[in-house]
Amino acid sequence: AQSVAQPEDQVNVAEGNPLTVKCTYSVSGNPYLFWYVQYPNRGLQFLLKYITGDNLVKGSYGFEAEFNKSQTSFHLKKPSALVSDSALYFCAVRDPSRTGGGNKLTFGTGTQLKVEL
Amino acid sequence: GAGVSQSPSNKVTEKGKDVELRCDPISGHTALYWYRQSLGQGLEFLIYFQGNSAPDKSGLPSDRFSAERTGGSVSTLTIQRTQQEDSAVYLCASSLGWGGNTGELFFGEGSRLTVL
Repeated sequence: AQSVAQPEDQVNVAEGNPLTVKCTYSVSGNPYLFWYVQYPNRGLQFLLKYITGDNLVKGSYGFEAEFNKSQTSFHLKKPSALVSDSALYFCAVRDPSRTGGGNKLTFGTGTQLKVEL
Repeated sequence: GAGVSQSPSNKVTEKGKDVELRCDPISGHTALYWYRQSLGQGLEFLIYFQGNSAPDKSGLPSDRFSAERTGGSVSTLTIQRTQQEDSAVYLCASSLGWGGNTGELFFGEGSRLTVL
C-alpha cells in the first residue's frame, strides 16, 4: 500500500530564512508526488508535483521540492520564507502502476508552517 | 462554476440524525473525490468516482457512509445515524481524471460537520 510520512507536526522559521518541510513516501512503483497548501479556513491548493524528469521541481509562490529516489523523500523548500507562507502543508503520493484503487492520492498528516518576523 | 462548490459550509446535527453533504465539481472534470479531514489526522480518503466506472469505496469507514454521483457531475455524501466521531471537515475534490492528467486535484472549501 502507498503511504506518506510527514515527520514534523510543526516547523517554525524566521522570515527571510530558508525553510524545509519534510516528506517521505512508500510505494511499490515509481511515485507521482505532490505538495498542497491549506491556508486558514480555506480548501487545499496545489503547489507542485513530480511526475518524471528533473528531480528538482518548481511550483507556486517560490516553492520547490526535490525528489530523492534513494531516500524516498520529496522535501518542500523555499530559499526565503515569508510570514504569508504560514499555513498547513500536505505531501501526497500516487502509485500510477496500480490500476483501479491506485487512482487516489494518499496524503500525509500535514505540517504546520509558522513563519515569524 | 469556476471552482469546486460544497454545501453546506457548516452543519451542526444531533447524534443519530442523517446528514447529506453536496459537492458540485468543476465543469468537465470526470474524477471526483471525497476526503475527510480531522484534527491531527490529515486527509482520509473516503471515495472516488471516475466517469461511468464503479466508484472506489475502499475508504468509507462504515456502512453508515454512502455517496452517489448523478449524471457524472454533482455528488452527495450521506452519513446515516451520525456519531460524534463523524465530526470533521469533509472535503470534495475534482480533477480531469488520470488518463489525460497526472493528478492535480482541485478542492472545495469543505463542509464542517459537528455532531453533538
